[in-house]
Amino acid sequence: QKEVEQDPGPLSVPEGAIVSLNCTYSNSAFQYFMWYRQYSRKGPELLMYTYSSGNKEDGRFTAQVDKSSKYISLFIRDSQPSDSATYLCAMSGREGAQKLVFGQGTRLTINP
Amino acid sequence: KAGVTQTPRYLIKTRGQQVTLSCSPISGHRSVSWYQQTPGQGLQFLFEYFSETQRNKGNFPGRFSGRQFSNSRSEMNVSTLELGDSALYLCASRSSGVTTEAFFGQGTRLTVV
Repeated sequence: QKEVEQDPGPLSVPEGAIVSLNCTYSNSAFQYFMWYRQYSRKGPELLMYTYSSGNKEDGRFTAQVDKSSKYISLFIRDSQPSDSATYLCAMSGREGAQKLVFGQGTRLTINP
Repeated sequence: KAGVTQTPRYLIKTRGQQVTLSCSPISGHRSVSWYQQTPGQGLQFLFEYFSETQRNKGNFPGRFSGRQFSNSRSEMNVSTLELGDSALYLCASRSSGVTTEAFFGQGTRLTVV
């Protein structure tokens, strides 16, 4: 069993829809949680970074962490075709730890 | 300012050969990490260098090695290439050893034939 599980999709939704992306994990030592966006033929780009449990909002993006359930989510409101990409969750056990453990990535397509 | 630069962007090698990939981090950044990305395994951590010292290493065979120079530029080397080494190799840089935000380069696409 992988430390981080993420449904690879693909996920296809109409423009303007609310998108929900999720990851589950098994290692209770994880404290730092990140979401990256990766466009085709590009490197991952950091979208959101959260510590421990709680919510964080940045524009149309909201990240949620539920450590008791070992479950994290990324919500995208008012989705746009430019949001079409692969979304990767990543986590680490201590601040500064460069050994990030990634989910498989979910391929998302927003249809105009 | 310039982002993370990886060279070359694409590479084709034959089984048994060796390859060296290069990464120039963002100016002023001292930490460089390498990841391998494949469709089957996703992104997997290879190793991290900070101030020319390897600080952490993933579960890869000894054929995978790296180094970092005094100007923070880093190279990774894969010897005796296998077909399964075909992947996108990504480099990430951070400003220091304590921040978590990592900036990735566009990667080097290695194909082993």
